[in-house]
Amino acid sequence: ETGVTQTPRHLVMGMTNKKSLKCEQHLGHNAMYWYKQSAKKPLELMFVYSLEERVENNSVPSRFSPECPNSSHLFLHLHTLQPEDSALYLCASSLTAQPNRELFFGEGSRLTVL
Amino acid sequence: AQKVTQAQTEISVVEKEDVTLDCVYETRDTTYYLFWYKQPPSGELVFLIRRNSFDEQNEISGRYSWNFQKSTSSFNFTITASQVVDSAVYFCALSEEMKTSYDKVIFGPGTSLSVIP
Repeated sequence: ETGVTQTPRHLVMGMTNKKSLKCEQHLGHNAMYWYKQSAKKPLELMFVYSLEERVENNSVPSRFSPECPNSSHLFLHLHTLQPEDSALYLCASSLTAQPNRELFFGEGSRLTVL
Repeated sequence: AQKVTQAQTEISVVEKEDVTLDCVYETRDTTYYLFWYKQPPSGELVFLIRRNSFDEQNEISGRYSWNFQKSTSSFNFTITASQVVDSAVYFCALSEEMKTSYDKVIFGPGTSLSVIP
């Protein structure tokens, strides 16, 4: 079983749909992250949770809503998305949210917004 | 400001050739961390190495080696005797110690490596 598991792996949604991405880590880590990876752009940090508390929101549009019910689970709720939101959404975890900690990534959820 | 540059967008090599992936970074902090990650076609980024700014000792791990030079702000990655399984996108990343924001990790744009059999 991989350390960080993301579901679904692929998602196609219309602009008016509501869907959620799920991430689960089995590493006992205390920090979890959502990253967005678009074609031709560097990885963009979206949200950081440390001990289930959101510590960073990188000016992400409100149509993306994160939820961290416990230290092992992280959700990204999607609502009224735009076609430019189509991307690979990567979840990651680390032992702590300190800058010297390596990140452990899931395989990503490939989102297509029609 | 933080910045990570990976000038090589795509590289193709024939299997068993050596290949070096370049990474140049910018930071004003004296304490920082550098990372390399590998992203195979399956999607997940895999951590390869971390270096802190006070440790310029080069490192070798099997066919992988890293050359950290503060004088040129570079942290290059060499794969010796490349194999098809090395085909992936490789990201260099920089993290600063003193930032108060948690947006500390800056990733470079990545270098796509193709190893041809």
